[in-house]
Amino acid sequence: SQTIHQWPATLVQPVGSPLSLECTVEGTSNPNLYWYRQAAGRGLQLLFYSVGIGQISSEVPQNLSASRPQDRQFILSSKKLLLSDSGFYLCAWSPTRLDHNEQFFGPGTRLTVL
Amino acid sequence: GQNIDQPTEMTATEGAIVQINCTYQTSGFNGLFWYQQHAGEAPTFLSYNVLDGLEEKGRFSSFLSRSKGYSYLLLKELQMKDSASYLCAALDSNYQLIWGAGTKLIIKP
Repeated sequence: SQTIHQWPATLVQPVGSPLSLECTVEGTSNPNLYWYRQAAGRGLQLLFYSVGIGQISSEVPQNLSASRPQDRQFILSSKKLLLSDSGFYLCAWSPTRLDHNEQFFGPGTRLTVL
Repeated sequence: GQNIDQPTEMTATEGAIVQINCTYQTSGFNGLFWYQQHAGEAPTFLSYNVLDGLEEKGRFSSFLSRSKGYSYLLLKELQMKDSASYLCAALDSNYQLIWGAGTKLIIKP
């Protein structure tokens, strides 16, 4: 069966500090991978998605970046965090077949920027 | 533009039935998802509709009308554990999910 891992679970960082969140998927190959952010009481905002190693699409301009160094590893980074970067970050994967694009979510990372 | 509309919050009584509506406008359409999200947790998949009609899965059912750009999630025999946010998401022509803001469902005893 497939499993998706995210860490850390919670993170408190000062403004201007760097960020690295990691997501890994087990039990499947060549998944589509996604990074979302969810502000408190709000819906999901798609930040990045990837259909393969080294292939990253950005949905919104921001000070965040993403990388996919391996097939089942997806990393979200920032060189300098802003207060507005606080939120609940979710990694998700979906199978590559197009007939049913259900997304499976990791447990999430709650980031607080102070 | 692409848009998903659903009510912000709903309240229902334990044991009752509640219907959460969702309307969508997307560039192309390849299906409609419903997810459940408990506070502080990740969303979990509930249902997927791509054809018109009602899909029943235990206490939960989901309906789709493609011609009207409309879906609803029906929850029967409500339990306190059903208190959560319910997210509607439509799959567009590029197979990207367009998410609604979610409906917070409050269950009262």
